[in-house]
Amino acid sequence: EPEVTQTPSHQVTQMGQEVILRCVPISNHLYFYWYRQILGQKVEFLVSFYNNEISEKSEIFDDQFSVERPDGSNFTLKIRSTKLEDSAMYFCASSPSMRSETQYFGPGTRLLVL
Amino acid sequence: SQELEQSPQSLIVQEGKNLTINCTSSKTLYGLYWYKQKYGEGLIFLMMLQKGGEEKSHEKITAKLDEKKQQSSLHITASQPSHAGIYLCGAHGSSNTGKLIFGQGTTLQVKP
Repeated sequence: EPEVTQTPSHQVTQMGQEVILRCVPISNHLYFYWYRQILGQKVEFLVSFYNNEISEKSEIFDDQFSVERPDGSNFTLKIRSTKLEDSAMYFCASSPSMRSETQYFGPGTRLLVL
Repeated sequence: SQELEQSPQSLIVQEGKNLTINCTSSKTLYGLYWYKQKYGEGLIFLMMLQKGGEEKSHEKITAKLDEKKQQSSLHITASQPSHAGIYLCGAHGSSNTGKLIFGQGTTLQVKP
């Protein structure tokens, strides 16, 4: 069964450094998402991406964040100048359409900012 | 903005017992998703409900969406240790968005 994959599984970085989280969505899906989950808190939406542009973003997704689909398979989340409060589990998700019956999530990247 | 409230927050049951988890929305639900998460891992899709009164089952798990589309329940019959984990409900924030908002999760422990 096709699945969303994410790399790395864990990332430790120093405050102020840039990180890039990578995702490979399911191949025939058109909508891509990033969510995050701070330890002990709800899963929060960050951004959705369709047709090579951001379709929706949350208040959390400020200028520090950016997303890109550099080729036909990868979908990346870049965090510039990481802060301590960026420490969280970051999930990538994909779906074939905006309101499809399934939105599949990847296994997540655990980011720790020191 | 829409909020999803799950109850109970945590649950410990004896293996073989039935249990129910509820998800209540402050507004009409446009697609209600149930996911299972093992601690520190990804979200595994269980099922999605869209129509008022809809009910779906997968193995020993049944989910229902009420007629008013503001509450969903997840029922597990004859629970097993493999059912242990965190159950999350998620929903579209409105009729024209793909993003999901989530409840805080219900942690289930099943004692053998």
